Amino acid sequence: TQLLEQSPQFLSIQEGENLTVYCNSSSVFSSLQWYRQEPGEGPVLLVTVVTGGEVKKLKRLTFQFGDARKDSSLHITAAQTGDTGLYLCAGGGGGSNYKLTFGKGTLLTVNP
Amino acid sequence: DVKVTQSSRYLVKRTGEKVFLECVQDMDHENMFWYRQDPGLGLRLIYFSYDVKMKEKGDIPEGYSVSREKKERFSLILESASTNQTSMYLCASKRGGSWYGYTFGSGTRLTVV
Repeated sequence: TQLLEQSPQFLSIQEGENLTVYCNSSSVFSSLQWYRQEPGEGPVLLVTVVTGGEVKKLKRLTFQFGDARKDSSLHITAAQTGDTGLYLCAGGGGGSNYKLTFGKGTLLTVNP
Repeated sequence: DVKVTQSSRYLVKRTGEKVFLECVQDMDHENMFWYRQDPGLGLRLIYFSYDVKMKEKGDIPEGYSVSREKKERFSLILESASTNQTSMYLCASKRGGSWYGYTFGSGTRLTVV
């Protein structure tokens, strides 16, 4: 069974601070997605990374896929209150073309 | 704007009732999924479908069934609702291929009393 461990589970910071959240596994994934979920809504896809060592930037968010394709990180620069939400990572592949393996998420609160 | 639409945002049902949750996608995706989301437990896969009339059990299928008669529609059925099925239910769709992500609906908050 493939597992994705996310850390930290909870993170509360002040607006303007930088932060990094992590997504780790002992399994290799062919792709890794990051989602953000706001309260009462479904998760929304932020990015997909597919190549080991790949780095993608989305404005103030930087996503990295580990060289061995077993881990990923999300770095937010100068966090804003609008970044508040649950951040989920999900891995694809590992024998299934259909379903993704989800981590339990990091709940980020950015305080004004 | 492509989307996944869940028929209800909030539902309150009584114990023992048969409950239908409907999900429709307009992206011609092959794969559709039903998850439930509970605090501390994350997203847990109930059932998924990779083609019309095809279905596979996920991690927690007990007490649930599904129906996919048309490509765009995937229904989740609670045969006899119980209080431990109170949860947020999320439907998602996805193109084939492990590198594609999910498009989720907005969720249905189901309360069984």
